[in-house]
Amino acid sequence: DSGVTQTPKHLITATGQRVTLRCSPRSGDLSVYWYQQSLDQGLQFLIQYYNGEERAKGNILERFSAQQFPDLHSELNLSSLELGDSALYFCASSVDYSNGSPLHFGNGTRLTVT
Amino acid sequence: AQSVTQPDIHITVSEGASLELRCNYSYGATPYLFWYVQSPGQGLQLLLKYFSGDTLVQGIKGFEAEFKRSQSSFNLRKPSVHWSDAAEYFCAVGTGFQKLVFGTGTRLLVSP
Repeated sequence: DSGVTQTPKHLITATGQRVTLRCSPRSGDLSVYWYQQSLDQGLQFLIQYYNGEERAKGNILERFSAQQFPDLHSELNLSSLELGDSALYFCASSVDYSNGSPLHFGNGTRLTVT
Repeated sequence: AQSVTQPDIHITVSEGASLELRCNYSYGATPYLFWYVQSPGQGLQLLLKYFSGDTLVQGIKGFEAEFKRSQSSFNLRKPSVHWSDAAEYFCAVGTGFQKLVFGTGTRLLVSP
């Protein structure tokens, strides 16, 4: 158990809809990362937060947004969903954002857009 | 741009045999290199990491990896594979602020 909790585990929704994925980082970790894993794109870095502030952005679509709250949990919001957004979304956390801090991954949220 | 190549999509190894999973990276600076393992339905678990120093690093579950700068490689090895090692293995390079760039993964199948 990595200590990173993601909810829900599975999500099925229709195109055009909006969903929110939730992540609780490991106790003591200040940095949260979101990754998308799909068959065609592999594991792609989306966005990173540190202590409530956005630190780095990757291949995140404009339809997607995220935030990290004062209690350090994070939410990834996906809107105007398309079939191609179906993927496994991982949250990871680390103590800080230095390269030496290992990432601890949650078990992911599997999103299916129909 | 940073990239990681795992040339083998699938590898099948007999239980008890040795294993080597290949990883090549492209990165302009000194790389931070990682190997993660993903079991079905699970998140990624860190096996080992290389930042500096000894080029042979030991990880969990009996895995080790060797950093070879001249070959831009960071291959993962295990002397004797167990059936429970069947999983998908990802090599990654850290590009700053822990933005990991992952390879496409190698799926390990273990035959009896």
